[in-house]
Amino acid sequence: AQSVTQPDIHITVSEGASLELRCNYSYGATPYLFWYVQSPGQGLQLLLKYFSGDTLVQGIKGFEAEFKRSQSSFNLRKPSVHWSDAAEYFCAVGAVRGGADGLTFGKGTHLIIQP
Amino acid sequence: DGGITQSPKYLFRKEGQNVTLSCEQNLNHDAMYWYRQDPGQGLRLIYYSQIVNDFQKGDIAEGYSVSREKKESFPLTVTSAQKNPTAFYLCASTTGMGNQPQHFGDGTRLSIL
Repeated sequence: AQSVTQPDIHITVSEGASLELRCNYSYGATPYLFWYVQSPGQGLQLLLKYFSGDTLVQGIKGFEAEFKRSQSSFNLRKPSVHWSDAAEYFCAVGAVRGGADGLTFGKGTHLIIQP
Repeated sequence: DGGITQSPKYLFRKEGQNVTLSCEQNLNHDAMYWYRQDPGQGLRLIYYSQIVNDFQKGDIAEGYSVSREKKESFPLTVTSAQKNPTAFYLCASTTGMGNQPQHFGDGTRLSIL
């Protein structure tokens, strides 16, 4: 069965500093990978997705992620964070056969921005 | 604008009571999903439906029921058999094609009175 691990429950970063959120997945074939962001009391918004091709994918709000098959990782990065980036971030993996049976989510990383 | 509408935003349940959470989408998506979110637990799949009049259990279906009579609608009923219903519930949809991400509603927070 597929699984996703986000090792960091909380991360604190100073405003303007760079950010990297870790995500490791377990899946027997080529995965579909996603990063979502959630503000308190809201639904999830898609930041970016990886299906195939270029292993470095660009998303919205200045985020990017790199797929590394050898490390089973899909880490999210941003060169300079803004206070508005404070939120919960979820990595998810979908089944290659179509994902129609739902995504498998990590438990999330809570990002805190220090002024 | 196309999107997913969940209602109500807040819901309270009495002991022994069934409650129904609404999810409507106007994205013309075939597949719809219900997730439960608890603090520190991420999202867990309750039920999903790939087509009208068909649905499948997810990882934590016990104590929940769904219907899919229309493409646009996928209501979730939290029954009295669900002993710990307090959570944030999220509805999502997708075209059903494997390379398309899921779109989410803004959620319903359910609490016990």
